Amino acid sequence: AQSVAQPEDQVNVAEGNPLTVKCTYSVSGNPYLFWYVQYPNRGLQFLLKYITGDNLVKGSYGFEAEFNKSQTSFHLKKPSALVSDSALYFCAVRDGLTGGGNKLTFGTGTQLKVEL
Amino acid sequence: EADIYQTPRYLVIGTGKKITLECSQTMGHDKMYWYQQDPGMELHLIHYSYGVNSTEKGDLSSESTVSRIRTEHFPLTLESARPSHTSQYLCASSDSGGSGRANEQFFGPGTRLTVL
Repeated sequence: AQSVAQPEDQVNVAEGNPLTVKCTYSVSGNPYLFWYVQYPNRGLQFLLKYITGDNLVKGSYGFEAEFNKSQTSFHLKKPSALVSDSALYFCAVRDGLTGGGNKLTFGTGTQLKVEL
Repeated sequence: EADIYQTPRYLVIGTGKKITLECSQTMGHDKMYWYQQDPGMELHLIHYSYGVNSTEKGDLSSESTVSRIRTEHFPLTLESARPSHTSQYLCASSDSGGSGRANEQFFGPGTRLTVL
């Protein structure tokens, strides 16, 4: 079974400050990890993914995430937050060992609020 | 432009009505998915499809049904809508791999359903 946890329901940060949105996962095999962002009344937009290779993954809109195998974490980061980054962020995982048609398990989401 | 479309975006109907939520993608993806999401909450997979004439139930039990007669089309039907079906329904698609974009799911804008 695969699972993902986002321990923070909400993260508040001032514009210009660095931000971190936390994610930890559990899978049987090698993890495929994803971050998505959702703006109000919209679908999810893909930000970045880790499949293999470099542990630091760079994605859209200046976001990056660091894969840490020993801590089973995939935290989302951005060096300087913008008010327009305020949205709902989802971490997702898929077990690389299984088939299952690319079924992803999503976390419960973290609401990011960036204030002036 | 390759994309994934959902119609209608918003639907308000009375109890007992039959409804079909449409989802179409022009990316040639073989895998498609339906998720149910309450506002600001986590996503729950309710149906998925590996390809034409292939459909499976997801992790969350749902009274809805789906069909996949054409690769690009994955409609979801509720035979008799109830207030408990009020939610947002998100459609997504992904390819099988080998393209460098394997495993990543692309989401439509969602249908916000309200059953009175």
